Amino acid sequence: EDKVVQSPLSLVVHEGDTVTLNCSYEVTNFRSLLWYKQEKKAPTFLFMLTSSGIEKKSGRLSSILDKKELSSILNITATQTGDSAIYLCVAVSGNTGKLIFGQGTTLQVKP
Amino acid sequence: DAGVIQSPRHEVTEMGQEVTLRCKPISGHDYLFWYRQTMMRGLELLIYFNNNVPIDDSGMPEDRFSAKMPNASFSTLKIQPSEPRDSAVYFCASSPGQGRYEQYFGPGTRLTVT
Repeated sequence: EDKVVQSPLSLVVHEGDTVTLNCSYEVTNFRSLLWYKQEKKAPTFLFMLTSSGIEKKSGRLSSILDKKELSSILNITATQTGDSAIYLCVAVSGNTGKLIFGQGTTLQVKP
Repeated sequence: DAGVIQSPRHEVTEMGQEVTLRCKPISGHDYLFWYRQTMMRGLELLIYFNNNVPIDDSGMPEDRFSAKMPNASFSTLKIQPSEPRDSAVYFCASSPGQGRYEQYFGPGTRLTVT
């Protein structure tokens, strides 16, 4: 059965800290891995990772995929209270782009 | 682009009533997805369409749920009759296809069945 596992499930840090969120996947016919941020609304797309070892960056956020280890990490440097959210790791399976969602990591950044 | 548009944003209805949720995907996107989100079960895929054709409806809970996509710019999710356990946030998402798998979510419809 396809599955995506994220860790930790929840995390509390202080502003300015750096955090690393982990994701591992077991997916048949893996295509790519997506990261989303969800606050009190719809998930917002962050990154799509298809190639191993190539880092994607957007401001203070960065992510990398390791296809050998079937895993990905999402780094957030100099965290801010606005980074508080649920971060979803999602694997894309098959030709039709079906998404398999992880449980999410709930990040709380305290001032 | 306006993004994925959903309506209504909030719906409160009584048990047994019919509920229709609507979605307009991003123009040019080949795929449309319907999800349900609850605290207990997280995000669940209900059904998705490719070029207006339903591809996988294995996530639809039961026969009370049905979805249609009559054209590339409109889809509906209908619940008839509704039950209190259907209360959730229902998201519609679309993705470009052709090797681009990222999905863009609409704002969601918060459904409360009393």
